[in-house]
Amino acid sequence: NAGVTQTPKFQVLKTGQSMTLQCAQDMNHEYMSWYRQDPGMGLRLIHYSVGAGITDQGEVPNGYNVSRSTTEDFPLRLLSAAPSQTSVYFCASSYSGKGNSPLHFGNGTRLTVT
Amino acid sequence: GQQLNQSPQSMFIQEGEDVSMNCTSSSIFNTWLWYKQDPGEGPVLLIALYKAGELTSNGRLTAQFGITRKDSFLNISASIPSDVGIYFCAGPGTGTASKLTFGTGTRLQVTL
Repeated sequence: NAGVTQTPKFQVLKTGQSMTLQCAQDMNHEYMSWYRQDPGMGLRLIHYSVGAGITDQGEVPNGYNVSRSTTEDFPLRLLSAAPSQTSVYFCASSYSGKGNSPLHFGNGTRLTVT
Repeated sequence: GQQLNQSPQSMFIQEGEDVSMNCTSSSIFNTWLWYKQDPGEGPVLLIALYKAGELTSNGRLTAQFGITRKDSFLNISASIPSDVGIYFCAGPGTGTASKLTFGTGTRLQVTL
């Protein structure tokens, strides 16, 4: 049972490039989400999805797109990378997204934009 | 939006000491969660609290849901080197549980 798998682990982009961060879970979780982690700021919610075909914005959605065509996958797309998007990105999933349904996190993607 | 402030920001303690950290919110929470992040990994849930005044333990960890519903506390007793990491509080506030808000984290270092 792999849990939440994120790829790649590390990525360096030049300003203006686009890329997709992959996230897959094999726990049949309905809820999936993306967070970014910056020093001194904790984890901030970018986008989330409560089920296939449904996505919504979190706290810091600008510059990112998501889609949820299957229950298992929730890719995060950077449309035109900027240095402010240098961060560690975490994908997380849970059974229902409710407070009594714990979030399971992947091990993160460390992104540097130069 | 909701803000969660954790203190202290960082702690350097000796093995065997007890640790206390807290989290305060600008609004009322109906659930408090405590996560730990080991270096290079994603956060892992330690304790979940669902009721004001609730006190819950998980081994050497004890967490409390403040009676004002705007704060929570985490204590670690007899710390050991593997307690090193960043501890986050989190909660959904009174809005949708899907929008989990995380605190700024408390970084714990344990020296031998």
